[in-house]
Amino acid sequence: ILNVEQSPQSLHVQEGDSTNFTCSFPSSNFYALHWYRWETAKSPEALFVMTLNGDEKKKGRISATLNTKEGYSYLYIKGSQPEDSATYLCAFIPSTGANNLFFGTGTRLTVIP
Amino acid sequence: GAGVSQTPSNKVTEKGKYVELRCDPISGHTALYWYRQSLGQGPEFLIYFQGTGAADDSGLPNDRFFAVRPEGSVSTLKIQRTERGDSAVYLCASSLGPTFEQYFGPGTRLTVT
Repeated sequence: ILNVEQSPQSLHVQEGDSTNFTCSFPSSNFYALHWYRWETAKSPEALFVMTLNGDEKKKGRISATLNTKEGYSYLYIKGSQPEDSATYLCAFIPSTGANNLFFGTGTRLTVIP
Repeated sequence: GAGVSQTPSNKVTEKGKYVELRCDPISGHTALYWYRQSLGQGPEFLIYFQGTGAADDSGLPNDRFFAVRPEGSVSTLKIQRTERGDSAVYLCASSLGPTFEQYFGPGTRLTVT
């Protein structure tokens, strides 16, 4: 079983604050890293698929970076809004059989109005 | 267009009973995945279909679990002789292929009493 860790487990920020959290994964046998947002009572929604070391991707106020050599990815949210409240999951795909995602346990973000 | 749908949304069953959980993927998506999420954990991979065949079933916990996708579209996850430890949210996802983002259904919450 591959170890994918996310920190912090949960986070409370004020509306308007910027925040970031971390996903750590095995640096060997890297194939791809996914980020998903999972709002309560909804389906997980894909944010980014990252494949190259040094990748930076952006979608609105959310961006992500990738360092495959050291095995981490950061997700940044600029100017947090209450609608950003959700659990953010990262998932790792190893190069040895890219069949499934190994998920972390997620970071639960609450944005306080 | 229509997203991934799962039925039922909730299922309560007694220990020892048989259950079937259904997944309707996005039309044209050849890859289909089943995951299980227990409380406080990230989704855990169960099985991956490419077309009609189970390309990777290494995540199925034991032989009480079985899944089919006979026509390469709808999939059914079957659990025999359910146990209380099977209680979880069962998620289905589909994609264009293993390295593409996955589109998740809303999940089926299974409770075994």
